[in-house]
Amino acid sequence: TQLLEQSPQFLSIQEGENLTVYCNSSSVFSSLQWYRQEPGEGPVLLVTVVTGGEVKKLKRLTFQFGDARKDSSLHITAAQPGDTGLYLCAGARGNRDDKIIFGKGTRLHILP
Amino acid sequence: EPEVTQTPSHQVTQMGQEVILRCVPISNHLYFYWYRQILGQKVEFLVSFYNNEISEKSEIFDDQFSVERPDGSNFTLKIRSTKLEDSAMYFCASTLQGTAAYEQYFGPGTRLTVT
Repeated sequence: TQLLEQSPQFLSIQEGENLTVYCNSSSVFSSLQWYRQEPGEGPVLLVTVVTGGEVKKLKRLTFQFGDARKDSSLHITAAQPGDTGLYLCAGARGNRDDKIIFGKGTRLHILP
Repeated sequence: EPEVTQTPSHQVTQMGQEVILRCVPISNHLYFYWYRQILGQKVEFLVSFYNNEISEKSEIFDDQFSVERPDGSNFTLKIRSTKLEDSAMYFCASTLQGTAAYEQYFGPGTRLTVT
C-alpha cells in the first residue's frame, strides 16, 4: 500500500509563528499535491510538485518535494488566523489520469 | 474561475433506495473522478473515467455503483441500492490532459445520508 502519513495530525500555534507540516511515504510518487479542506467542503488545490527537490512558494507558504519523491513538506511563515484549516497531502503514482491517494491531513489552528 | 459543481449538496435517502449524484466538471477537462470521504476519515478514490469508459476503480466501487457521462457536461454516480455504510461526502473531480494533468480539481461535494 502507498500510504501517505502526515504529521503532526494537529497543530495549534500563535499568530506570527512559523510552522512546518510533513507528508511521508515509503513509496515513490510522480507528483504530490497539497490541498486545503474546510469543514463540509471539497479539497481546494494549493500546489502540485512533480520534480524531486522542487520548491514552490505561494505567498507565505513554501512547498518542497523530497529528492527521492517520497515525501513533501509545507512551511508557513508568520502564520495568520486565516491559515486555520485542514491541510491534505495527496499523491499520484504515475499516469496523468491516475487516482490520487490522500493522507489523513494536518489540522492547523492559528491562535490570534 | 471555472469550477466543478455538484448537485444536490445534501441527499437523504432510505436504505435500499437508488440515488444519483450529479457533477458538472470543468468544461475543457477530460478525466473525471469520484471520491468519497466518510465522516472523520480520509478522502478515498472510487473511480476514474476517461473517453466514456472507466479507467480504474477501487474495491469500494462494487456492482452497486455505476458512472455515466450522459451528455457533454454532466458526470453522474449512481448507487443502486444504498446501504447505511454508503453515508459519506462524495466528491467529483476533474483534470485537464497535458501540463496540468496532475492537478485534480474537486467539487464542493454531496453529503449522502442513508437512513
